Amino acid sequence: KQEVTQIPAALSVPEGENLVLNCSFTDSAIYNLQWFRQDPGKGLTSLLLIQSSQREQTSGRLNASLDKSSGRSTLYIAASQPGDSATYLCAVRPGANSKLTFGKGITLSVRP
Amino acid sequence: DTGVSQDPRHKITKRGQNVTFRCDPISEHNRLYWYRQTLGQGPEFLTYFQNEAQLEKSRLLSDRFSAERPKGSFSTLEIQRTEQGDSAMYLCASSPAKGGTDTEAFFGQGTRLTVV
Repeated sequence: KQEVTQIPAALSVPEGENLVLNCSFTDSAIYNLQWFRQDPGKGLTSLLLIQSSQREQTSGRLNASLDKSSGRSTLYIAASQPGDSATYLCAVRPGANSKLTFGKGITLSVRP
Repeated sequence: DTGVSQDPRHKITKRGQNVTFRCDPISEHNRLYWYRQTLGQGPEFLTYFQNEAQLEKSRLLSDRFSAERPKGSFSTLEIQRTEQGDSAMYLCASSPAKGGTDTEAFFGQGTRLTVV
């Protein structure tokens, strides 16, 4: 059974800091991995999608990397801003036609 | 198209009542998923549809839960005889399955259910 872990559960950083959010998964046979942002009481916003054949994806200040063999992904946020404060969720899709399996998320607080 | 739409956004109901939620996916997305999220947890899969066919149901989906997607468009999730443990955020997502394979999943804003 695929398990996704995100540690730590919460993180607080000062504005302007570059930071890395970690995600690990137990079964390396994934089809793709997706990072989401969730604001309190809201739905999920897709940030980046990485296919299993890719090593990284970039969007603005965000960069996600994938190392399938070690079962790890990282989300790099450059020059963090208070508006980046949210919960960041990592999810993997084990197969082409299967559902997403999520981690519990990392709640990020960026202090002004 | 403005994305995945869910209705209502919030629902408070008394224990034992039935509730129904609606999800309108992004048009032409033929895969539609329901997830449930409780406080401090990641979303957990409930069920999914490809067009109008319900292809998979989680063991979390007890016999009090039923989902439909008539004509492969919008979907409804009904919970009968609600219990306090059903209180959660119910999330809907859709994906454009191209060539039989999923791509990016897009989520709605969710329906927050509170059972009192």
